[in-house]
Amino acid sequence: GESVGLHLPTLSVQEGDNSIINCAYSNSASDYFIWYKQESGKGPQFIIDIRSNMDKRQGQRVTVLLNKTVKHLSLQIAATQPGDSAVYFCAENNGGDKIIFGKGTRLHILP
Amino acid sequence: EAQVTQNPRYLITVTGKKLTVTCSQNMNHEYMSWYRQDPGLGLRQIYYSMNVEVTDKGDVPEGYKVSRKEKRNFPLILESPSPNQTSLYFCASSFMVNTEAFFGQGTRLTVV
Repeated sequence: GESVGLHLPTLSVQEGDNSIINCAYSNSASDYFIWYKQESGKGPQFIIDIRSNMDKRQGQRVTVLLNKTVKHLSLQIAATQPGDSAVYFCAENNGGDKIIFGKGTRLHILP
Repeated sequence: EAQVTQNPRYLITVTGKKLTVTCSQNMNHEYMSWYRQDPGLGLRQIYYSMNVEVTDKGDVPEGYKVSRKEKRNFPLILESPSPNQTSLYFCASSFMVNTEAFFGQGTRLTVV
């Protein structure tokens, strides 16, 4: 089975608020983590990644936090906009040849 | 423009009729992979390739074949499709396994 999972399948957030999407992983050997955004009818698109030698990384309006102690990953989106509506996937690589995806969280933006 | 191109985008076929879904990338990436996406199951890796002539099974390889004769192309072959292979398929490429991947637009396959 998959070692990467998500706490909530659906998340509804008010426009302008911050969104936090969570992800749990079970393989302590994983050393690379990545977030993708998938809009309806499209392929996944890269958002941000982080390696295990870091615990935080920031991009434009997005921040990824990695807590290796509890094997938890989160994606924070600041000032959520309607265009942020999508399914978000976390994925991990354990140093081997495969990438394992979580099942995804759907983010709904409320007006 | 950097891109991963899959064809066809939509395909309806009958059980047992061999088909190939093509995938091509123009970024000189070494790592390529195929995923299937099913409701509630997320993306599951079918096969991957570390480089030319190097392919290996992912998590759900049964019923599929791939080849990597050239760096840019990574076709997915279904020798004898069955209804349980009805799914949305994505090809992806990246420089290495642990770098950003670029995905194609997807191929929606229906096997009747």
